Amino acid sequence: DAKTTQPPSMDCAEGRAANLPCNHSTISGNEYVYWYRQIHSQGPQYIIHGLKNNETNEMASLIITEDRKSSTLILPHATLRDTAVYYCIVRVANSGYSTLTFGKGTMLLVSP
Amino acid sequence: EAQVTQNPRYLITVTGKKLTVTCSQNMNHEYMSWYRQDPGLGLRQIYYSMNVEVTDKGDVPEGYKVSRKEKRNFPLILESPSPNQTSLYFCASGGSALMNTGELFFGEGSRLTVL
Repeated sequence: DAKTTQPPSMDCAEGRAANLPCNHSTISGNEYVYWYRQIHSQGPQYIIHGLKNNETNEMASLIITEDRKSSTLILPHATLRDTAVYYCIVRVANSGYSTLTFGKGTMLLVSP
Repeated sequence: EAQVTQNPRYLITVTGKKLTVTCSQNMNHEYMSWYRQDPGLGLRQIYYSMNVEVTDKGDVPEGYKVSRKEKRNFPLILESPSPNQTSLYFCASGGSALMNTGELFFGEGSRLTVL
């Protein structure tokens, strides 16, 4: 699976959009981008995933660049409860029950 | 409510005293897995199971055992715990959708301290 690079930390004001970048320059054509988050010492939580089209769900939006070498997770109106570590993972789709490898992620701090 | 339940949530034990951390899921998932999380090292997979009676090693299996006798349960066994197994442990499960969506469901974690 391709490696990902994320900034170690980011800050965001409550109510503003949080834009979390992820670089995956070695991504292959059949690899998806997944995002998880982990609120302090709780179990990680799935957020969203995508291949090449932008995706949106009730939690967030995922923007993937046309060359697929990077992506951005957008939390449109960040709240204090969005303070967490956000993990960007690249993985081959339809790869069975293969391991999800978590990196170090980005620590997002949302402040009042 | 769909959930993955781990017990105990907190445990302090001594070196060499066998212990079991239980994990149960109510979503009829085929896949279950154990991770440990340590500062600076992130989440590392210990063991996983693709279905009943099918288990395999992850990245850090040494010192651990697992069993999958029933679909819903996947206990983690530390036969002779050592201080380097002090960690935060997470159980996770995933159904057939995991293959496509990559969506794993995690338990709340079990914080283990071995003295």
